[in-house]
Amino acid sequence: DTAVSQTPKYLVTQMGNDKSIKCEQNLGHDTMYWYKQDSKKFLKIMFSYNNKELIINETVPNRFSPKSPDKAHLNLHINSLELGDSAVYFCASSQAGKETQYFGPGTRLLVL
Amino acid sequence: GESVGLHLPTLSVQEGDNSIINCAYSNSASDYFIWYKQESGKGPQFIIDIRSNMDKRQGQRVTVLLNKTVKHLSLQIAATQPGDSAVYFCAQVTTDSWGKLQFGAGTQVVVTP
Repeated sequence: DTAVSQTPKYLVTQMGNDKSIKCEQNLGHDTMYWYKQDSKKFLKIMFSYNNKELIINETVPNRFSPKSPDKAHLNLHINSLELGDSAVYFCASSQAGKETQYFGPGTRLLVL
Repeated sequence: GESVGLHLPTLSVQEGDNSIINCAYSNSASDYFIWYKQESGKGPQFIIDIRSNMDKRQGQRVTVLLNKTVKHLSLQIAATQPGDSAVYFCAQVTTDSWGKLQFGAGTQVVVTP
């Protein structure tokens, strides 16, 4: 019954690898987001999709590519992983016109 | 106890006391503010929100105060419990920004017995 779910919860990988994180929401929302939380707990938005259309694209390296196959899913693919990509990545969703966002449990990415 | 600022300070509160967490925001165009609670190993959880046309809003054991003149937001937790131990974030958003939340740095609240 989880509202916003992410897989995997933990991801440990080597520098230079390519990895994907998946997000699904069952709240019926039409807007989904990716946030990055650094080691100091600072949360910053990366991307936002509304009805499968990219609407927010912050200054993020183009190694990060979001993909939304449908309104309930927003995946994040990362190419050529770097040490600085180590962080916790959160997916969130909301209904357009309502600003309250609901967050997933996070994916802890460690790049070695 | 009180905590001020956008850096990640630690607020130590005795169980049963009231907590006050402060947040100074920068964007005067923001018209919606949210407080989130993040427990260890979990995602941020919505606590309470307030719109810019209000200066106070109350929930269950929580009250948010908004002072637009000085761009200041606070979260008051009454009768703090051990389960309130977490990092608390304020976030601001402008209605026409497609939900682009701007988060503050967070405050770590530690409830002591």
